Amino acid sequence: DGGITQSPKYLFRKEGQNVTLSCEQNLNHDAMYWYRQDPGQGLRLIYYSQIVNDFQKGDIAEGYSVSREKKESFPLTVTSAQKNPTAFYLCASSMSGQAIYGYTFGSGTRLTVV
Amino acid sequence: GDSVTQMEGPVTLSEEAFLTINCTYTATGYPSLFWYVQYPGEGLQLLLKATKADDKGSNKGFEATYRKETTSFHLEKGSVQVSDSAVYFCALRSYNNNDMRFGAGTRLTVKP
Repeated sequence: DGGITQSPKYLFRKEGQNVTLSCEQNLNHDAMYWYRQDPGQGLRLIYYSQIVNDFQKGDIAEGYSVSREKKESFPLTVTSAQKNPTAFYLCASSMSGQAIYGYTFGSGTRLTVV
Repeated sequence: GDSVTQMEGPVTLSEEAFLTINCTYTATGYPSLFWYVQYPGEGLQLLLKATKADDKGSNKGFEATYRKETTSFHLEKGSVQVSDSAVYFCALRSYNNNDMRFGAGTRLTVKP
């Protein structure tokens, strides 16, 4: 079955450490997205990519970095510059330029600073 | 820019009660409209959608009608169950913009 996979489900980070969250999709979607969700809050867009080797900053990109070397993969690195990284991170993908289609979401990664 | 406003929660209902979660939008052009559901600790799942005015999306007993005249897409269900307890997000995606805009989410708790 096609879908979008995020790993790991839970991740713990020490102060000053970089960590990378994985997101892989086999839906042949062009566009991929990273969102951050804080407890009881909505979704905030971190980065998005509409094509391989290209990506754009979202609303809260500071302290994060991404790469898009393959269509299927869009990893997110939470750097030590992100001062409050504890949150639930959601990856999504979609057909690019097709507004009638929604986003498909992964099951999320919960990141905790210890 | 495009935006979505949905009713603030939390909403608490008894089992078998009628549910309405209001959603209004602002957009240039004619967006597609969506409702997503998020169960605790999980990602968002598409619940239903409508892609043009007067379309009705429906799934699992939930319904929403695309009302262009009132720029609304209210979610309804005639008889909620405990298993419907979740957070519900209204969203839009415009034809001239690839990004999807989400509402803030409404937490629903259904008590037996």
